[in-house]
Amino acid sequence: EAQVTQNPRYLITVTGKKLTVTCSQNMNHEYMSWYRQDPGLGLRQIYYSMNVEVTDKGDVPEGYKVSRKEKRNFPLILESPSPNQTSLYFCASSYGDRGAEKLFFGSGTQLSVL
Amino acid sequence: EDQVTQSPEALRLQEGESSSLNCSYTVSGLRGLFWYRQDPGKGPEFLFTLYSAGEEKEKERLKATLTKKESFLHITAPKPEDSATYLCAVQARGTYKYIFGTGTRLKVLA
Repeated sequence: EAQVTQNPRYLITVTGKKLTVTCSQNMNHEYMSWYRQDPGLGLRQIYYSMNVEVTDKGDVPEGYKVSRKEKRNFPLILESPSPNQTSLYFCASSYGDRGAEKLFFGSGTQLSVL
Repeated sequence: EDQVTQSPEALRLQEGESSSLNCSYTVSGLRGLFWYRQDPGKGPEFLFTLYSAGEEKEKERLKATLTKKESFLHITAPKPEDSATYLCAVQARGTYKYIFGTGTRLKVLA
């Protein structure tokens, strides 16, 4: 089954403790991206990647890192999480190379930073 | 600055009561406009892509239309299972970023 898999589904952590949210897709998609969703602000793009070793900033990249060492994986790294990073996070992928391709989303990761 | 505004924020309809959701956008050259449906606790699910003004797409009770400044999602004779948040997004030419609106929460009452 074609899917985008995020882990974990829920995560509670404390300020400053490094964490990684994993994202994997099995559709051989070129494009992968991360979003955060906050009430009243909608979905905002954090980072995206057009291919292996090619990443670029979205609208809210501060406090986040990403890497794309393999085509199928695109982890999101919070090296020193802060309470304002408490949010619902989504990973998404698409074919990407032609532009304006539909996104396939994961099920989300609810992160709470205390 | 590229921007997407959706209205209304929330909408309650009786079953069978048709209506439209609006998505106004400002973008420096539109590559594509997207509609997604999001159920509580789940990731958005793709509905439509529109590429140029005048284009229309349909799926069951939903029909999406596009002009140079806005898009409408028309819901004909909605059912309770159409209750969800509907998201609009755009991608501008020359970029691979997606800009989302804040969504319209639709509730269809039986």
